[in-house]
Amino acid sequence: QLVLTQSPSASASLGASVKLTCTLSSGHSSNAIAWHQQQPEKGPRYLMKLNSDGSHTKGDGIPDRFSGSSSGAVRYLTISSLQSEDEADYYCQTWDTGIRVFGGGTKLTVL
Amino acid sequence: EVQLVESGGGLVQPGGSLRLSCAASGFTFKNHWMSWVRQAPGKGLEWVADIKQDGSEIYYVDSVKGRFTISRDNAKNSLYLQMNSLRAEDTAVYYCARATEIRGYTAYDKDWGQGTLVTVSS
Repeated sequence: QLVLTQSPSASASLGASVKLTCTLSSGHSSNAIAWHQQQPEKGPRYLMKLNSDGSHTKGDGIPDRFSGSSSGAVRYLTISSLQSEDEADYYCQTWDTGIRVFGGGTKLTVL
Repeated sequence: EVQLVESGGGLVQPGGSLRLSCAASGFTFKNHWMSWVRQAPGKGLEWVADIKQDGSEIYYVDSVKGRFTISRDNAKNSLYLQMNSLRAEDTAVYYCARATEIRGYTAYDKDWGQGTLVTVSS
């Protein structure tokens, strides 16, 4: 079964860095994923596609502060130089033939 | 600039029907898979349905199969979601999204609308 697992919450200080995780279920460790950001009361925004080798393709206008990396079945989203507007929910998404799945989301608080 | 504008949400009684629309602009609509994604109040994102460029392939999440129908009109650059036999658990903001394609199938959603709220309650 294709499942993505995310920690429900994370926090970091203004100007610091944070690394969010998204773990693929057994048998799907080679899947690519996408990261999306959802600021309060807004629709989601695509951040990047992240491959199993750590290569990633960012969406238009996504700052260099956002980067992705991979290790085994875990996909990471790193946000550096945290700003107040980075306080948001972050979702990972993956896919297979005829099915698409989101992780439960991580609520990031910027202290 | 890609724009996706949803409409048609509202309050409906359990067992009722509703049709959502999504007006697309800023890209060649007929060349892209399209999808619906929903978000229940205070909850995460849930993929609902996908439709291929010409409508020849359609996929649904199990919980809506037999009740929801996704369709499109490429001449009108519009995407639709017909929702029948609505349940309280269908209450959510429904987002229209432009999906990317990898090896002939939908992959990730690259552009999103602002959503339309559907409330199922008596």
